Amino acid sequence: GQNIDQPTEMTATEGAIVQINCTYQTSGFNGLFWYQQHAGEAPTFLSYNVLDGLEEKGRFSSFLSRSKGYSYLLLKELQMKDSASYLCAVGGSTLGRLYFGRGTQLTVWP
Amino acid sequence: ETGVTQTPRHLVMGMTNKKSLKCEQHLGHNAMYWYKQSAKKPLELMFVYSLEERVENNSVPSRFSPECPNSSHLFLHLHTLQPEDSALYLCASSQGQINTGELFFGEGSRLTVL
Repeated sequence: GQNIDQPTEMTATEGAIVQINCTYQTSGFNGLFWYQQHAGEAPTFLSYNVLDGLEEKGRFSSFLSRSKGYSYLLLKELQMKDSASYLCAVGGSTLGRLYFGRGTQLTVWP
Repeated sequence: ETGVTQTPRHLVMGMTNKKSLKCEQHLGHNAMYWYKQSAKKPLELMFVYSLEERVENNSVPSRFSPECPNSSHLFLHLHTLQPEDSALYLCASSQGQINTGELFFGEGSRLTVL
């Protein structure tokens, strides 16, 4: 079966750094995605990793280790607007198949 | 504004009703998707259309019937639904290789089945 695991909730304060972990077990692997979803809004794409290592994009970075089935999303200099659900998703071997985790609800406090 | 528009945003229907959800993408993408998002559950892929052909049907009950008349429009026809079908239904589109291209999601249609 397919299994994507991420924490349900996290909290942090403004200006801090937070790391959201994601572990996965899937049949086939075609990359790992992170999406951000604010309450009542569409999920929006944050990052894509297909090779091991760290991808940096401004305040957000995403890391992948394929051998460990592990990824994390690192958010620096947290802002109140970063309060949202962060979805980890893995591209499977079947065309069109993306397996999503349940999402991590991040709350940023002032 | 993601370039993917869904209507209606909210829908309440009885179990015997027939209704349709509509999705339109203005991005020139060649693939479109329906996802179901229920509380406390992962996003579930329902259907994938690539170049207007259905390439994925994730064991979805026949009371959900998709239609893709062209590459910009996608419908989800609903009939004799159950209360457990109440959820947020998200449409998405992408370009190129489906598993490597990012998905652009609409804001969803919130469905309540009474």
